[in-house]
Amino acid sequence: AQSVSQHNHHVILSEAASLELGCNYSYGGTVNLFWYVQYPGQHLQLLLKYFSGDPLVKGIKGFEAEFIKSKFSFNLRKPSVQWSDTAEYFCAVNPLRGTYKYIFGTGTRLKVLA
Amino acid sequence: EAQVTQNPRYLITVTGKKLTVTCSQNMNHEYMSWYRQDPGLGLRQIYYSMNVEVTDKGDVPEGYKVSRKEKRNFPLILESPSPNQTSLYFCASSRQGHEQYFGPGTRLTVT
Repeated sequence: AQSVSQHNHHVILSEAASLELGCNYSYGGTVNLFWYVQYPGQHLQLLLKYFSGDPLVKGIKGFEAEFIKSKFSFNLRKPSVQWSDTAEYFCAVNPLRGTYKYIFGTGTRLKVLA
Repeated sequence: EAQVTQNPRYLITVTGKKLTVTCSQNMNHEYMSWYRQDPGLGLRQIYYSMNVEVTDKGDVPEGYKVSRKEKRNFPLILESPSPNQTSLYFCASSRQGHEQYFGPGTRLTVT
């Protein structure tokens, strides 16, 4: 079955530290890839997306992600986190063939210490 | 303003009492979906709809029903709610294959 794995469930960082959150998916075909953020008490919002082209994509608030097709990965990065980045982060995949389901990872809860 | 609305935002009910959570979007999106969010389990898709009168099961459809009679609306129906359906529910809409826009969420408690 298609799945999305986020290996880090909880991450605690100090402000200014660098962030990398892992995301791997299991689907052999073409996919659209997304990272969403959920701030405490709020709904999910799009951080960035990858459809095609340059595998390094930039999103809002200084986030970026790199798509590595050979590794089925779409890791999220930020060079220097801020306290306001405290949130839960979800990776999601939308296969473009056969099914129109969006598949989400279980999320990574990030806490940034001031 | 482009948005997805859900009602009610909070609901406490008793086992077996039928309820409906409404979802509406004003972006003319063909794709709509319902998710439930539980601690440690992330978002799990309940049902989705690719267009009017076209719906399909997600990963956790048991105990839920949906309908898509109009493009803008996608209600979630719990015919006989049980305590294991206590959760936070999100509706979302999108153009097919594109990023989803989420509603504000409905926190449901079934006692």
